Amino acid sequence: AQSVTQLGSHVSVSEGALVLLRCNYSSSVPPYLFWYVQYPNQGLQLLLKYTTGATLVKGINGFEAEFKKSETSFHLTKPSAHMSDAAEYFCAVSVVAGGSYIPTFGRGTSLIVHP
Amino acid sequence: DADVTQTPRNRITKTGKRIMLECSQTKGHDRMYWYRQDPGLGLRLIYYSFDVKDINKGEISDGYSVSRQAQAKFSLSLESAIPNQTALYFCATSEGGLVYNEQFFGPGTRLTVL
Repeated sequence: AQSVTQLGSHVSVSEGALVLLRCNYSSSVPPYLFWYVQYPNQGLQLLLKYTTGATLVKGINGFEAEFKKSETSFHLTKPSAHMSDAAEYFCAVSVVAGGSYIPTFGRGTSLIVHP
Repeated sequence: DADVTQTPRNRITKTGKRIMLECSQTKGHDRMYWYRQDPGLGLRLIYYSFDVKDINKGEISDGYSVSRQAQAKFSLSLESAIPNQTALYFCATSEGGLVYNEQFFGPGTRLTVL
């Protein structure tokens, strides 16, 4: 079975500081990994995804994530936080199992950005 | 216009009432999903459908039922609502065929059961 663990339910940074949101996955088969963002009072939208190939994935709004198989991690980073980045972030994993594939989501990390 | 719409956006109801949440999509996707979001628990899958004739239970289907009326419509029902079903409910869609196809989410329905 696949699973995702997001370390830290809340992460607080100052505007302009590095953003690091952690995600570790568990899967017995090659995973496909996603980061979604949820802005206040909105649904989730895709930030970026890892399928195959390049392990460093670039997404929207300056975010990127690196797939590290040896560490079973897919951490999300952004060099410089902006106030508009304040949101809930979800990591998700999808694998092929039994002929179907349903994404499994982590519990989410709330990013708080201070002026 | 939004690709995935949900109605109503907010609903307050009483224990024991029957409630239906509706989802419509214009993306032409075969796959549709219902999730509930609770603080600290993330998104949990209630039901999913890979096509009109396919309905599958998710991890928390007890107390819920669904209907896939057409490719574009997927409804979630609470036959007899209870307070612990108070949550934010999301509908999502995705294309079939590839394990890494992203999901597209509606804006959510905030349900309060008193």
